[in-house]
Formats: sequence, structure tokens, C-alpha cells
Amino acid sequence: DGGITQSPKYLFRKEGQNVTLSCEQNLNHDAMYWYRQDPGQGLRLIYYSQIVNDFQKGDIAEGYSVSREKKESFPLTVTSAQKNPTAFYLCATLGRGDTQYFGPGTRLTVL
Amino acid sequence: GENVEQHPSTLSVQEGDSAVIKCTYSDSASNYFPWYKQELGKRPQLIIDIRSNVGEKKDQRIAVTLNKTAKHFSLHITETQPEDSAVYFCAASISPRTDKLIFGTGTRLQVFP
Repeated sequence: DGGITQSPKYLFRKEGQNVTLSCEQNLNHDAMYWYRQDPGQGLRLIYYSQIVNDFQKGDIAEGYSVSREKKESFPLTVTSAQKNPTAFYLCATLGRGDTQYFGPGTRLTVL
Repeated sequence: GENVEQHPSTLSVQEGDSAVIKCTYSDSASNYFPWYKQELGKRPQLIIDIRSNVGEKKDQRIAVTLNKTAKHFSLHITETQPEDSAVYFCAASISPRTDKLIFGTGTRLQVFP
């Protein structure tokens, strides 16, 4: 999972503002995922992509959007429609043997 | 869809004691069960996983058991150390090349010296 980078580490958003979280990987993995983690809770799937130019909604996709134009990159946009976006966001890739590897995360705070 | 329940939500043990965390799943088709450890502010890291064709797997002080009939699996940590303190998540999925993992809500383990 050292081959997965997320930026920025901390992000502050004003009300009504869209922000984009970056996720890059050099592991040559096809599938990538975005999870949201709230305090005291598990990881909830936002979006996932199994291949370039294709992605599917997860369990909590409302208020989020993604793109997968390159194999290495899977950015997540948190739109103004997401009413409670303050959370820890984790990107992951799927390696061999069904193992998911996580990036270091981005902590988003709404001001 | 799959649902994973995890218990307990918090667990405190004395250093050297054993710790057990239990998870149940709902979808009998699930066949891959990983466990992740997450230290404060860090990313989850895979510590052990098990597939439905085996009942138990060990890696040093860590073991996982699976009961397919009852649809539950457990993480066992023996001879706990303070550095074992973290949040542990179980998960379940349908292999191979499953779309997604379904995670439990996590167990905060505290090991007191």
C-alpha cells in the first residue's frame, strides 16, 4: 500500500463548495475504491471502478462524483449536495488474492 | 445484500492476556474474510485473512477461525502487547475478484501494560 498516495492529507471546505480528493496508484491494479469513515464507524463504500472509463455507485454515492480516465488515478469530488461531508476518506486498490490496499487517507472538514 | 456485524465495539485487556473479536455475516455466498488493523489516524492494514475452504488460519500471535454453518468468524490475538492497541475491522466478500468488501463497524482494542 506504499504505492497508493492521497492528497491533500487535510482539506477544509466552505459551505456550498465543491472539492476534489486525489488518489494515485503505481501498483498497476485495475480496481479502485473510495470509502468514507466516520468516527466510531466502519468503512462505507462511496464509488468503485473495476476498469478505466467505468465506475459504479457504492452504498453512499449521493453528493459525490468520480472519474477514471487513467488506470493510475481515481479522483473523488465532494459536491455541495453532500450535506455532511466531514469525514476521513480512504482510497483503496484491489490486488492479488482479493486483498484491498488502502491509501493514507484525506481528512475533510467543513468550516 | 451482505451485512456484517462485529462485537464487541470496545475491548480492554491486560498485557499478556488474549483478545477475541467476533463477526457474523448474512450472505452464505461470502467466501473471503479479511481482518484489518487501523491505528489512530492511519490507514487500515491487512493483518490476516481466511477463505471459506479452511476453518482456521494462524500467523504468529494472530489466528482467525471460520464457522460457515453459523456464518461467523473470529479474530484471536494471544499474548497481547500494548502495540496491539488499535481498531480492528472484519470484512466479508464474494471471491474471486469481488466488487466490494462489506466491513463491520470495528472493535477498539486497548491493551494495558
